[in-house]
Amino acid sequence: DTGVSQDPRHKITKRGQNVTFRCDPISEHNRLYWYRQTLGQGPEFLTYFQNEAQLEKSRLLSDRFSAERPKGSFSTLEIQRTEQGDSAMYLCASSLKRGPVYPYNEQFFGPGTRLTVL
Amino acid sequence: KQEVTQIPAALSVPEGENLVLNCSFTDSAIYNLQWFRQDPGKGLTSLLLIQSSQREQTSGRLNASLDKSSGRSTLYIAASQPGDSATYLCAVRPVYNNDMRFGAGTRLTVKP
Repeated sequence: DTGVSQDPRHKITKRGQNVTFRCDPISEHNRLYWYRQTLGQGPEFLTYFQNEAQLEKSRLLSDRFSAERPKGSFSTLEIQRTEQGDSAMYLCASSLKRGPVYPYNEQFFGPGTRLTVL
Repeated sequence: KQEVTQIPAALSVPEGENLVLNCSFTDSAIYNLQWFRQDPGKGLTSLLLIQSSQREQTSGRLNASLDKSSGRSTLYIAASQPGDSATYLCAVRPVYNNDMRFGAGTRLTVKP
């Protein structure tokens, strides 16, 4: 399977615990995005990387959230001191930005990690 | 701030019917618009992407149109099938950043 993969698919944790999610993008894709989706809503942008550089962060990404993409390949999203309001589906997407001549930059999504904070 | 609205929120049709899903956005300064399908509890599957300079894109039974000046896009599904039942989301990417904004989706049910 050469699509975007995410691990774990489901995570149940107690309030106050730290959790970490992993995303493996499509291998040649240089851009990687994190989104959060709550029930009945569309995804909300959290952050994005171009290669290993984190170029944009949403105001939704509080200081309890941190994302990394150390070698420009896989990425991790960590949530510290989880709260019940963090319960959501966390989605990762990747795209290939070839340059101004090829602008399409279509995003491909992984299956998501569903987080439940008790 | 870009707001994306999808109407209707839910739609139920008999198999074989042609249907149109609507997406509207408030800021016409978009880079592209993408339509996705999401099955319950799953990730998003990209259906069609329309660049801001394009008017429409087609893939099989799906046709998406874009009218940037009026802030509207439609997704046309021809000859609907029960397997088309899912939530359909539209998303716009602004020209000035990568903060892609999604609508809340239209939940489609195609009855056999």
